[in-house]
Amino acid sequence: ETGVTQSPTHLIKTRGQQVTLRCSSQSGHNTVSWYQQALGQGPQFIFQYYREEENGRGNFPPRFSGLQFPNYSSELNVNALELDDSALYLCASSLSGGGGNTIYFGEGSWLTVV
Amino acid sequence: KQEVTQIPAALSVPEGENLVLNCSFTDSAIYNLQWFRQDPGKGLTSLLLIQSSQREQTSGRLNASLDKSSGRSTLYIAASQPGDSATYLCAVRQETSGSRLTFGEGTQLTVNP
Repeated sequence: ETGVTQSPTHLIKTRGQQVTLRCSSQSGHNTVSWYQQALGQGPQFIFQYYREEENGRGNFPPRFSGLQFPNYSSELNVNALELDDSALYLCASSLSGGGGNTIYFGEGSWLTVV
Repeated sequence: KQEVTQIPAALSVPEGENLVLNCSFTDSAIYNLQWFRQDPGKGLTSLLLIQSSQREQTSGRLNASLDKSSGRSTLYIAASQPGDSATYLCAVRQETSGSRLTFGEGTQLTVNP
């Protein structure tokens, strides 16, 4: 039990549609990151939010966007879905500014694009 | 650009064996290294976190070592059990990348009864 919760757990979308995934971070954690994990691969960093501002982004196009709210919960939005967007999307939370803070992950949201 | 490699990609052992999983990284300017476990279709569970100034960390039957200068880490599992079957991922956090982690592709471990 990491204290990081994600919703929905599974969803199926059609190519071209838009999707919103949600994450509730562990209590007190002010930094949230999102990762994409394709089947059989390691997670790839999408972006990170700290105090409601994006402060780091991986190699993902602008149709991947996010939000962080004052209570530190977060959303990942993906527009114009493509078949290759089918993956497990993981949310991670941590307390920024600390030395060796462990990063905690949620159970993920499985997205299938057909 | 940081690259993380894990060897082997898959490993099958009989119950009770001691085993070692390997992780290497190309950029030694890391903040820390974290080992995770992932069960099929599930999220990541943190196992051990090693700071860049540390050489090893232990938790129960697990021991992780870090040699920052050579860009290597190992995860040692003692007396393996069928419940240890999972994918093990290592991830490094750079000194200048905030909370961003760079992952390897994982080692899929099967422990046979």
